[in-house]
Amino acid sequence: DADVTQTPRNRITKTGKRIMLECSQTKGHDRMYWYRQDPGLGLRLIYYSFDVKDINKGEISDGYSVSRQAQAKFSLSLESAIPNQTALYFCATSDLSSGRIADTQYFGPGTRLTVL
Amino acid sequence: QKEVEQNSGPLSVPEGAIASLNCTYSDRGSQSFFWYRQYSGKSPELIMFIYSNGDKEDGRFTAQLNKASQYVSLLIRDSQPSDSATYLCAVNPSGTYKYIFGTGTRLKVLA
Repeated sequence: DADVTQTPRNRITKTGKRIMLECSQTKGHDRMYWYRQDPGLGLRLIYYSFDVKDINKGEISDGYSVSRQAQAKFSLSLESAIPNQTALYFCATSDLSSGRIADTQYFGPGTRLTVL
Repeated sequence: QKEVEQNSGPLSVPEGAIASLNCTYSDRGSQSFFWYRQYSGKSPELIMFIYSNGDKEDGRFTAQLNKASQYVSLLIRDSQPSDSATYLCAVNPSGTYKYIFGTGTRLKVLA
């Protein structure tokens, strides 16, 4: 089984709809991240969380919200989807315990979201 | 100036050749550097990381870091068609726990 899973893998929705993307991990990592990837723009950080009680905005958090339901689960919500949120979304995890400032991040398989 | 810059490519090399991928970064205090490979439509997968100046080798891959010149590179020896992918450079700027990703370099290895 994959260490980091994302559901759904593909989603088509309409403008104005609320949508939730879910991420689960079995790696036991403390840190979880949400990124979006757009052609020519690379990976951009939306939100990150270092534990259940710690949520932080990334560089492009407007229009998104997150919930860290448990150490293993981190969900991303689009409250009212708009077409420019069409992108590939990745969840990632990393391990705090190594003691390094920035630890290796491991990515889920991604969710391809299309907003019509 | 972008925080992490990569040439978008494509970089085309013949099979068996050495592919050289480069990345420059703007934050002189950056401490950690990562190379990821991403096949089209798939998630990034870690190739290697480097923290110290110099070279780090792992199989056919060598990462090179020069903090004074603010660049990090990835060499792929004996390139194979299966190496054809986009290679992402990621940098951890000083004082943060985050990565900044470059936009990636597309590599094509020609059989």
